[in-house]
Amino acid sequence: EADIYQTPRYLVIGTGKKITLECSQTMGHDKMYWYQQDPGMELHLIHYSYGVNSTEKGDLSSESTVSRIRTEHFPLTLESARPSHTSQYLCASSESGTYNEQFFGPGTRLTVL
Amino acid sequence: DQQVKQNSPSLSVQEGRISILNCDYTNSMFDYFLWYKKYPAEGPTFLISISSIKDKNEDGRFTVFLNKSAKHLSLHIVPSQPGDSAVYFCAASATDYKLSFGAGTTVTVRA
Repeated sequence: EADIYQTPRYLVIGTGKKITLECSQTMGHDKMYWYQQDPGMELHLIHYSYGVNSTEKGDLSSESTVSRIRTEHFPLTLESARPSHTSQYLCASSESGTYNEQFFGPGTRLTVL
Repeated sequence: DQQVKQNSPSLSVQEGRISILNCDYTNSMFDYFLWYKKYPAEGPTFLISISSIKDKNEDGRFTVFLNKSAKHLSLHIVPSQPGDSAVYFCAASATDYKLSFGAGTTVTVRA
């Protein structure tokens, strides 16, 4: 079944730790995105990729980094987690071409103590 | 600067009645508009969309209306059902495929 997956779903970690949030999709989509969302707020785009070896920063500045070595995989890494990174992180993908909706994964709820 | 605004953070409606959610945008380059539904601890799910060449799009109980001159769109849900209780996000994009989201409206459908 075509889908988009995120792991872990929940992560509680101490300050200074390095973390990687995983995102994989089986739909063969070229475009992938990472959003950050806090309760009651809009989703903010922090990274996007239009294909393998292509990554760009989004509209919201983020200390995280991403990579796109394979079409289906778009991991996000924080080298040194801080309490200000506490948030929900949502991964999405979409087909090429115009007027295509983005499909979202279930999200990772990150808490940095 | 927030380019998509949902000014009503919450909406309560009785089961069977109409729910009307509103969204305003400021960027005249937006040409594609979407509504997403989100349950707690889940990712947003696509509901319905409309391109700027149309002023109405209907899909079952969901209808989206676009007023380009007013830079305003609305989502109508008729009839409202208990399973419709969720947070609804309005989103918009220009030709760069990136989405700008509103802050969401929490809909509660009362029995």
